[in-house]
Amino acid sequence: AQTVTQSQPEMSVQEAETVTLSCTYDTSENNYYLFWYKQPPSRQMILVIRQEAYKQQNATENRFSVNFQKAAKSFSLKISDSQLGDTAMYFCAFMWTGTYKYIFGTGTRLKVLA
Amino acid sequence: DGGITQSPKYLFRKEGQNVTLSCEQNLNHDAMYWYRQDPGQGLRLIYYSQIVNDFQKGDIAEGYSVSREKKESFPLTVTSAQKNPTAFYLCASSTLGLAGSDTDTQYFGPGTRLTVL
Repeated sequence: AQTVTQSQPEMSVQEAETVTLSCTYDTSENNYYLFWYKQPPSRQMILVIRQEAYKQQNATENRFSVNFQKAAKSFSLKISDSQLGDTAMYFCAFMWTGTYKYIFGTGTRLKVLA
Repeated sequence: DGGITQSPKYLFRKEGQNVTLSCEQNLNHDAMYWYRQDPGQGLRLIYYSQIVNDFQKGDIAEGYSVSREKKESFPLTVTSAQKNPTAFYLCASSTLGLAGSDTDTQYFGPGTRLTVL
């Protein structure tokens, strides 16, 4: 069975600093996608970034980037120049194209401090 | 505007009642999903559907039912058999294997907060 693990329940970072959120997953499949979603206090789930497993290049979206280590089954999210608006729950997710089911981690609560 | 809508935003249910949560999307997505989120926890899959008139159970389907009569609609019924239904419910949709940057990316509605009185 596929699993997603986020080992950091809570983290904090000073405004303008950089923070890295960890995610590991377990699968024996090759064709899959990985995602990071943000859930602010409004509870609206917002896509932050996605990575196709077949791509070696790490995905980036403005201040957000990932470190995708396929062999280690690791998918960490780096947030640069943290802003107060980045305060939210962050969920890592895995999707295998064999079923199109998404599996979510338990989340990391990130607080950006002024 | 294209997107996913859920209604109502807040819903109160008396014990023993069935209630239905609405989810509509105008993104022309094939797949639709229902998740349950409890405080401090991640998302757990209730049901999902990849095509009209077909759906599959997720990890916590007991006490819930769905239908997919139209591509854009995927309502969730919380039945009286669900013993602890108080939670936040999220609906999502995605494409299936089509080319493009949005391929297989799941987008979410704003959610429904269900409380049992």
